[in-house]
Amino acid sequence: GAGVSQSPSNKVTEKGKDVELRCDPISGHTALYWYRQSLGQGLEFLIYFQGNSAPDKSGLPSDRFSAERTGGSVSTLTIQRTQQEDSAVYLCASSSQEGRQFFGPGTRLTVL
Amino acid sequence: AQSVTQPDIHITVSEGASLELRCNYSYGATPYLFWYVQSPGQGLQLLLKYFSGDTLVQGIKGFEAEFKRSQSSFNLRKPSVHWSDAAEYFCAVTPGGYQKVTFGTGTKLQVIP
Repeated sequence: GAGVSQSPSNKVTEKGKDVELRCDPISGHTALYWYRQSLGQGLEFLIYFQGNSAPDKSGLPSDRFSAERTGGSVSTLTIQRTQQEDSAVYLCASSSQEGRQFFGPGTRLTVL
Repeated sequence: AQSVTQPDIHITVSEGASLELRCNYSYGATPYLFWYVQSPGQGLQLLLKYFSGDTLVQGIKGFEAEFKRSQSSFNLRKPSVHWSDAAEYFCAVTPGGYQKVTFGTGTKLQVIP
């Protein structure tokens, strides 16, 4: 595709349920990032994938959060046992070698 | 590891006034530098970038930024702000070559008539 896509665009779930968020990066971009943006807040780095290297998970807020990237392309962010404080917009970005990031439209997660 | 500081969390300017948003970075060599803008309810859009060469770079929407190595700064400027410039602005830095990009915490710009 022409840009980064994310699905679903909106997700409403009940506290305690697991959710999966998907990101399709731009073809050929080997770097992929996940960020979280809570209402009125800045970008919170979650995780970074680069090629076949071990991902940088330093931003994951708890062990309920995990992410994988299959075949160096599509990535899935999984949140287990969701809590209300997980409600936010989750942004995915893929990056060219120069570091410019191309952002997806985000997934708005609401935990009731 | 590199870091980015945007010291101003919130700035208010009058429409037509000039604007300067500050960005300071910490990195041993010359990094690649970026400014992004996020308008209300919108995604992040690249305003401009610096890799090397001329230290004054021009971007979209009339914005420019100047790289000052001696001050480790990459401040964003606009001569005359428009109401549509009200948004949140993020500075970002990376060593390049697919190394991790680090974002600042953002500056929210309010434009008053």
